[in-house]
Amino acid sequence: LAKTTQPISMDSYEGQEVNITCSHNNIATNDYITWYQQFPSQGPRFIIQGYKTKVTNEVASLFIPADRKSSTLSLPRVSLSDTAVYYCLVVRQGYQKVTFGIGTKLQVIP
Amino acid sequence: DAGVIQSPRHEVTEMGQEVTLRCKPISGHDYLFWYRQTMMRGLELLIYFNNNVPIDDSGMPEDRFSAKMPNASFSTLKIQPSEPRDSAVYFCASSLRGSNTGELFFGEGSRLTVL
Repeated sequence: LAKTTQPISMDSYEGQEVNITCSHNNIATNDYITWYQQFPSQGPRFIIQGYKTKVTNEVASLFIPADRKSSTLSLPRVSLSDTAVYYCLVVRQGYQKVTFGIGTKLQVIP
Repeated sequence: DAGVIQSPRHEVTEMGQEVTLRCKPISGHDYLFWYRQTMMRGLELLIYFNNNVPIDDSGMPEDRFSAKMPNASFSTLKIQPSEPRDSAVYFCASSLRGSNTGELFFGEGSRLTVL
């Protein structure tokens, strides 16, 4: 599976839009980009998945360019409760093994 | 459904003691995963099962670690003997093959401290 690279940490003020970019240069045709969120003292939880272009749900948006070598998770108007670690993963269709990296620790500042 | 249930939530033990962590996956899920999380190494996959059969245990640190899944609703991760470097949060997760996203559902974790 393609290795992912994302910033180790980010800070943002409340109310701002936060964009976390992840690179996955060796992504394969049957791979999907998936993001998880982990709050302190909890297990990670799935927030969004995409293959190409743009995906939006009630939590976030995911932007994937045509070459799919990177992706950007966008969190609109963050609040203190969005402080968490965000993991970018490449998941292969039909392959259940999922590996996590260090993730991006987002700190939202009042 | 109650989600993935892990026990104990916290365990403090002394070096050399046996530790057993337990997990109940979401009913109907056919995959079960054990992960370990530390500050230094992040979230590491230890082992995963499909239909109660271990598929990949390449992440298990050493022979002191063992995992079993005697039935579809229960799994254990055992450390014997435990060492201080085993101190971590251990997560269990389950998933359903055939789901659109392959989403993993995690438990709240078991925080292990080995003195």
